[in-house]
Amino acid sequence: TQLLEQSPQFLSIQEGENLTVYCNSSSVFSSLQWYRQEPGEGPVLLVTVVTGGEVKKLKRLTFQFGDARKDSSLHITAAQTGDTGLYLCAGENAGGTSYGKLTFGQGTILTVHP
Amino acid sequence: EAQVTQNPRYLITVTGKKLTVTCSQNMNHEYMSWYRQDPGLGLRQIYYSMNVEVTDKGDVPEGYKVSRKEKRNFPLILESPSPNQTSLYFCASSLGWTGELFFGEGSRLTVL
Repeated sequence: TQLLEQSPQFLSIQEGENLTVYCNSSSVFSSLQWYRQEPGEGPVLLVTVVTGGEVKKLKRLTFQFGDARKDSSLHITAAQTGDTGLYLCAGENAGGTSYGKLTFGQGTILTVHP
Repeated sequence: EAQVTQNPRYLITVTGKKLTVTCSQNMNHEYMSWYRQDPGLGLRQIYYSMNVEVTDKGDVPEGYKVSRKEKRNFPLILESPSPNQTSLYFCASSLGWTGELFFGEGSRLTVL
């Protein structure tokens, strides 16, 4: 089973600050997805990155896929209270018997204080 | 509205009392999966199904059963629940084997 280490596990910041969440693995993924989960709801897909070195922007959120497709980061600029939630990365296995299977990171609980 | 519906949302039960968590999707998705979510462990896959009558074990299948008799439904069965199955369970579906997963709202199960 491929592992995906997500850090930090908890992040508590003030509104207006910037932050970065990391997902790291020793394995190569064919793509990497980022989900956001709010209390009492299921995760919802934010973005999928596919190409090594790819950068995608979603308003104040910037997602990057590492050149070797083993790691990814999520950067939030000028965080708002509405960004509060659990952020999950999920890597799609690149080959072998687990091809296509999603491996989830442990999640980052982000709390943005007003 | 496209959605994945799970029931019940909350359940408290006792050790050994069989229970079923239902999951239904209205998007004609082929792929469906069950996950459990525990603090610090992220989402771990229990079982998945590629299509009707095609199911396979995920990473943590012990103590669970599933069936896929119809494309839209994928129930999770706990034949004899134990306290270590206390968790938040999510059903998810996707169009194919890869791609975006659509999740239900979760079912919080407590086994006493």
